[in-house]
Amino acid sequence: GAGVSQTPSNKVTEKGKYVELRCDPISGHTALYWYRQSLGQGPEFLIYFQGTGAADDSGLPNDRFFAVRPEGSVSTLKIQRTERGDSAVYLCASSSRMGTSLFFGPGTRLTVL
Amino acid sequence: GENVEQHPSTLSVQEGDSAVIKCTYSDSASNYFPWYKQELGKGPQLIIDIRSNVGEKKDQRIAVTLNKTAKHFSLHITETQPEDSAVYFCAAQESGGSNYKLTFGKGTLLTVNP
Repeated sequence: GAGVSQTPSNKVTEKGKYVELRCDPISGHTALYWYRQSLGQGPEFLIYFQGTGAADDSGLPNDRFFAVRPEGSVSTLKIQRTERGDSAVYLCASSSRMGTSLFFGPGTRLTVL
Repeated sequence: GENVEQHPSTLSVQEGDSAVIKCTYSDSASNYFPWYKQELGKGPQLIIDIRSNVGEKKDQRIAVTLNKTAKHFSLHITETQPEDSAVYFCAAQESGGSNYKLTFGKGTLLTVNP
């Protein structure tokens, strides 16, 4: 079956602009995660959804970052007033339920000029 | 919070040799330890995982061992092949309530030379 998909695969934007990154989880997976991966580093947790609600958003770096999952499936990560330090690969993962194996998408490479 | 250390950062082996990657974790309450393989330009792919009620798990050429007392776990790849070349990440699951976020190591770049 289809895995986790993310769009766009690459996003180049200018400092100060707003961006939206989309994630389509594996069908039927109720848990959805966003991670951020900087060059040469492991993924770092941003936020976790169980269904429609954000169960844990402790990894969001500041209030410029926000994520939604209005219908419990597709999720959008939103970044306001982007900064050059936001440049990274943003990874989405899903699992069939809380506490089971995470399956990652290919990521969105965000470059802020 | 949880802290995961991973060694070595790079590893080069000859095809057919074994490769071992080691990780340590800090939170004794962590109970789930997955390993991911990441190829260039792709997302991490789960290759094997182990829970703290098991000391060892094997899947064909890949095995993982866990020492809860010492708080370390290792990935073993036998009969390495060029297609095993990738970055490998270990991770530990933070415990506590409904929190299931993973903390990752910094990765090991494995190169298998033909």
